[in-house]
Amino acid sequence: DAGVIQSPRHEVTEMGQEVTLRCKPISGHNSLFWYRQTMMRGLELLIYFNNNVPIDDSGMPEDRFSAKMPNASFSTLKIQPSEPRDSAVYFCASSLAYTPLHFGNGTRLTVT
Amino acid sequence: SQQGEEDPQALSIQEGENATMNCSYKTSINNLQWYRQNSGRGLVHLILIRSNEREKHSGRLRVTLDTSKKSSSLLITASRAADTASYFCATAIIQGAQKLVFGQGTRLTINP
Repeated sequence: DAGVIQSPRHEVTEMGQEVTLRCKPISGHNSLFWYRQTMMRGLELLIYFNNNVPIDDSGMPEDRFSAKMPNASFSTLKIQPSEPRDSAVYFCASSLAYTPLHFGNGTRLTVT
Repeated sequence: SQQGEEDPQALSIQEGENATMNCSYKTSINNLQWYRQNSGRGLVHLILIRSNEREKHSGRLRVTLDTSKKSSSLLITASRAADTASYFCATAIIQGAQKLVFGQGTRLTINP
């Protein structure tokens, strides 16, 4: 079991650029979650999917953020345009129907 | 705002001592979970306690839940240097059992 795989591990970009974060959940898991972690706000749930369908995106901060899950083995979180306040560690997690979450090691995003 | 609030924010003890962390929450829950996060890594699930349970054990971990006080505690016995990490409680609210809301965490340091 390779676990949840996120890429890239680090991303440095300039304000205004588009950023795409990628996630491969654990095979067989049917729920996928995107979290953001900052010192000030802690861990925030941005969006989660069940069976590839977005269920709750109330945590997505602005229209600049969008997430997709085209199939059971891949999801993206896109920020366009990026801003310095988007700098954070973004985590993807997956689970199987109400079981505990398995987290990836995150993408550290720095927007200058 | 965060559903769970951990106390203390930071804890430093000697190896071999017991560590106790507390979590308070605001709304009714389906279950409460504890996760550990090592520096630069994703969160790892430790233990889940359901709303109808009062105590649960897993190895050196002991979790209690008091739904009347809306609080939980995590006890790590005979601590080891490898237990140094941040510990988070997460609550699954009844209406959306898959939606986990995390607290700000307790930073635990075990001194050799």
